[in-house]
Amino acid sequence: GAGVSQTPSNKVTEKGKYVELRCDPISGHTALYWYRQSLGQGPEFLIYFQGTGAADDSGLPNDRFFAVRPEGSVSTLKIQRTERGDSAVYLCASSLELAGGHTGELFFGEGSRLTVL
Amino acid sequence: AQSVSQHNHHVILSEAASLELGCNYSYGGTVNLFWYVQYPGQHLQLLLKYFSGDPLVKGIKGFEAEFIKSKFSFNLRKPSVQWSDTAEYFCAVIPYNTDKLIFGTGTRLQVFP
Repeated sequence: GAGVSQTPSNKVTEKGKYVELRCDPISGHTALYWYRQSLGQGPEFLIYFQGTGAADDSGLPNDRFFAVRPEGSVSTLKIQRTERGDSAVYLCASSLELAGGHTGELFFGEGSRLTVL
Repeated sequence: AQSVSQHNHHVILSEAASLELGCNYSYGGTVNLFWYVQYPGQHLQLLLKYFSGDPLVKGIKGFEAEFIKSKFSFNLRKPSVQWSDTAEYFCAVIPYNTDKLIFGTGTRLQVFP
């Protein structure tokens, strides 16, 4: 389809393991956002990219989390030494411009549900 | 701390009832305001937005929201809800001079036929 694609849709891992979550934005969208949504909470901002560079990574909770977008399209969120508290749905969104530009609209994927046992 | 607050966590209504969901934010300066909706099993999608101009904005599916600057509020309304409006509703703000969309905690709406 033409929407934002996230893989895997579900990931179960053990505490201490390394995890990668992938986001394929809508073709042509230069801005890409990562959010984390815990149960009963709203999406929490993690990081966003404009092109290949991380424009703002102030939401990453600690240095176990980092994200890349080497060619300005697909992005990968990487979590090292996972902890049980990392369990959440990780959402990716893209838009033509930062903050959705004049439309203000971010287009979200369906998320990757991470469970750390 | 600066935030977006949604005080109604769970709302249960019968079809044809009127709806108002509260949203308050604590950011100063110019803000852009949004309501996003997440239907069961689907991704988040934009319901409506306010950038400037008429503070009463209309969105899809008969929803509207009113920006009251003096109250730092952007409440969502619908005169007559339908069963298909059952979803989670998120208020969101882009604070002045940032490119980050900041979400509230969400309100779960259940509409019974």
